[in-house]
Amino acid sequence: EAQVTQNPRYLITVTGKKLTVTCSQNMNHEYMSWYRQDPGLGLRQIYYSMNVEVTDKGDVPEGYKVSRKEKRNFPLILESPSPNQTSLYFCASSLSYGGPTYEQYFGPGTRLTVT
Amino acid sequence: LAKTTQPISMDSYEGQEVNITCSHNNIATNDYITWYQQFPSQGPRFIIQGYKTKVTNEVASLFIPADRKSSTLSLPRVSLSDTAVYYCLVGGGYQKVTFGIGTKLQVIP
Repeated sequence: EAQVTQNPRYLITVTGKKLTVTCSQNMNHEYMSWYRQDPGLGLRQIYYSMNVEVTDKGDVPEGYKVSRKEKRNFPLILESPSPNQTSLYFCASSLSYGGPTYEQYFGPGTRLTVT
Repeated sequence: LAKTTQPISMDSYEGQEVNITCSHNNIATNDYITWYQQFPSQGPRFIIQGYKTKVTNEVASLFIPADRKSSTLSLPRVSLSDTAVYYCLVGGGYQKVTFGIGTKLQVIP
C-alpha cells in the first residue's frame, strides 16, 4: 500500500531534550516536506526537499533541522525543543517530474508536546 | 508564490451543492490551482487540480475563469462526511508550499 509513515504518532518530552521524528514514504517520490499545524494558523511548511541531499527552508524553519540522505526518508530533528514547538506535525511527499508538485500525500501526523 | 484568499467558514445543508471560491489575483503563468480537504487530526487529502477552464473528478469540480484570478471548488450534494477544512493552493514546480488557514465547511443535517 502506498503510504507515508511517521513515528512516533504521539510524543511528550521536556524542554531541551533532542528528538527526531521519522518520516518514510514507499512511493519513490522525489519531493518531501514537513508541516506544522497550530490552531488558527493553518498548515505551515517547515522544510522541504526536492531530492536526496537537496533541502530548503519553508515558512517556519527556526528550531528545526532536516536531512535527506535517502530518497524514502526525511527525518525532522529538534535539537533543543521548546514549548512553542508543541504542535501537530505532518510529513508529506509527492512526485516532482517537472510538473506541479501539489498532489502531496500526507502522513498520519505526530502530536508533539514539549513541557 | 501567489497569495490566496478564501472564506474562513461556510455552512451548508445536506444534499446541497457547495461552492467555495478562492481569489488569487497574482497567479503566475506556470501556476496550477490545487484543492485539499482536511478532517480533524488527519493530514490533508488532495481533491482536485487544474490549470484553466473546468476539471471534474469523482469527488468535485473545479471551475477556473479565463483570467485565472479566481477558482471555485464545487462539491455536489454534500453529506455530513464532507464537513472539513478545504484549502486552495496556487503554485507549481519545485518550491515552497503555502496552505493558509482554509475554509471550514460545516454540513448541517
